[in-house]
Amino acid sequence: SAVISQKPSRDICQRGTSLTIQCQVDSQVTMMFWYRQQPGQSLTLIATANQGSEATYESGFVIDKFPISRPNLTFSTLTVSNMSPEDSSIYLCSVVLPGQGDEQYFGPGTRLTVT
Amino acid sequence: TQLLEQSPQFLSIQEGENLTVYCNSSSVFSSLQWYRQEPGEGPVLLVTVVTGGEVKKLKRLTFQFGDARKDSSLHITAAQPGDTGLYLCAGATLLNTGGFKTIFGAGTRLFVKA
Repeated sequence: SAVISQKPSRDICQRGTSLTIQCQVDSQVTMMFWYRQQPGQSLTLIATANQGSEATYESGFVIDKFPISRPNLTFSTLTVSNMSPEDSSIYLCSVVLPGQGDEQYFGPGTRLTVT
Repeated sequence: TQLLEQSPQFLSIQEGENLTVYCNSSSVFSSLQWYRQEPGEGPVLLVTVVTGGEVKKLKRLTFQFGDARKDSSLHITAAQPGDTGLYLCAGATLLNTGGFKTIFGAGTRLFVKA
């Protein structure tokens, strides 16, 4: 498995501002994902952030709203830009470890509330 | 569009009872994972099933992958309050690019009363 940390763990932000969420992994991974989860509900994939290439966004998510950086094999950031109350959610990063197929390991999540 | 239907969405049972959670799809998956998530934490991987008809046991939890690799079930025997949480199934499909795509079920919120 892997130890994955996220910062911040939670935040309350004003409408129109931006928040950058950090994801740190204790080992080198190629594949990293960002998800959004409404409390008590399932996960929706925002984008895939593989090191060495541009992030790939899922339908309904765009780079201008959710810019992603992946500077190295252990770190990534997701920015939620120009926030609105509809962006209130839990944001999770996950990784796939080398040689472990498609099994994903998740960070603890960042709970975002936009007022 | 691939869909993974998970049922029931909510389950409240007494300690000691048995329960089964189902995930069904019309799509074939290369593998299927089950996760458990507690409030304030990320999902934790419980098991991966890969082979059609495969059955895996994890203490009181039994996971089964359908013969056609389109469906799966999670059976919990003698549920305990510590089993309370959100259970998620996730089906993975290999892509031509060499990567994979994972879709998640809607989740089953289980509450086990002491």
